[in-house]
Amino acid sequence: DAGVTQSPTHLIKTRGQHVTLRCSPISGHKSVSWYQQVLGQGPQFIFQYYEKEERGRGNFPDRFSARQFPNYSSELNVNALLLGDSALYLCASSLERLAGGSNTGELFFGEGSRLTVL
Amino acid sequence: GQNIDQPTEMTATEGAIVQINCTYQTSGFNGLFWYQQHAGEAPTFLSYNVLDGLEEKGRFSSFLSRSKGYSYLLLKELQMKDSASYLCAVKSWGATNKLIFGTGTLLAVQP
Repeated sequence: DAGVTQSPTHLIKTRGQHVTLRCSPISGHKSVSWYQQVLGQGPQFIFQYYEKEERGRGNFPDRFSARQFPNYSSELNVNALLLGDSALYLCASSLERLAGGSNTGELFFGEGSRLTVL
Repeated sequence: GQNIDQPTEMTATEGAIVQINCTYQTSGFNGLFWYQQHAGEAPTFLSYNVLDGLEEKGRFSSFLSRSKGYSYLLLKELQMKDSASYLCAVKSWGATNKLIFGTGTLLAVQP
């Protein structure tokens, strides 16, 4: 079975440009989350989408936006890129953890999209 | 607010046992995860604790004390391939299925 897939794997942009990152979740997973991981740090939460609705947003500026499509795939968009946006962008899918359910709600991560802003 | 602390780096010897500690402060605790991340790769799930006590899974075990806001990951019979970053992450109650990650502990296993 395919895991979480992300594209592109690597990309280089210049300041002021915009970027679109794509993610396909594991089949059957309706929740997609985006995380930013700067070198030497843990992942930081950006967005979560469930059934095409935004469930949560982290402490990121409005330059960051996302959406989820009917097939549960997702896009992360970043406008007006800054040097500080250089990072590994991780997409994760999950089953929602139901009360009393056996699943843990663990996140399954893709390999990430490594963005370099020059 | 939420805060997670774990050591930045640790070194251990092949075949030995290592314990990686994690302390956290969070409102509405709803579970603690440990992930392993090799350089340049995605984090992979290791363990989940929501109740106090020890969860054992092969060479890896994870412990949780909710009253102390404390967890540890125990790795036994260390192998060279265990050299990686180990991320502690906490989940809070709420509609969002988000995890708050620590900065990670970079473990170097030496021969």
